[in-house]
Amino acid sequence: QQQVKQSPQSLIVQKGGISIINCAYENTAFDYFPWYQQFPGKGPALLIAIRPDVSEKKEGRFTISFNKSAKQFSLHIMDSQPGDSATYFCAASMTGANNLFFGTGTRLTVIP
Amino acid sequence: NAGVTQTPKFRILKIGQSMTLQCTQDMNHNYMYWYRQDPGMGLKLIYYSVGAGITDKGEVPNGYNVSRSTTEDFPLRLELAAPSQTSVYFCASSYRSGSSYEQYFGPGTRLTVT
Repeated sequence: QQQVKQSPQSLIVQKGGISIINCAYENTAFDYFPWYQQFPGKGPALLIAIRPDVSEKKEGRFTISFNKSAKQFSLHIMDSQPGDSATYFCAASMTGANNLFFGTGTRLTVIP
Repeated sequence: NAGVTQTPKFRILKIGQSMTLQCTQDMNHNYMYWYRQDPGMGLKLIYYSVGAGITDKGEVPNGYNVSRSTTEDFPLRLELAAPSQTSVYFCASSYRSGSSYEQYFGPGTRLTVT
């Protein structure tokens, strides 16, 4: 049973375009929603994270939008660059838990 | 500061063989984790540890064992390798667990069981 559902599985975007990756969850106890970025042959690395008390968090070209009532959150990459080409994972966790529940990943390709 | 290191990078095992995947972190983190990553499935937690001498099962622990004798090391043992254990294995560590504590990942070990 996938605790966090992620879409799309793959995404191709032109350089300068906006990349959007969506995630949904069911467990309302989740209170921490990070996004991890993984380059080929490397381990995932934290990109940006949000807690449900805010609806949006922005760091540079990366923005998380959070919709608590819909139990959905998304990653927006503005002005996408070829260097952003990687696999992106959303995840969720809850206070007191020892587990991060990961989505299935989105492979992003940014075409020059 | 090396962060989280894993050895080996690649390994091919025959069915029924055993091996240990090594993981070391130099950040003095109490929490350490083992995940497996399968294509299209994301990362699944195998085992985790909250400190030296304390380990517990994650989502997919069957076929694996762990030990944590020091803060730095958290090896993962496969006793009787099966094709279903073909995967990429990631070790991670964090200062604390749960919400808002970043997990730092190693570079991974790609294991093939044939």
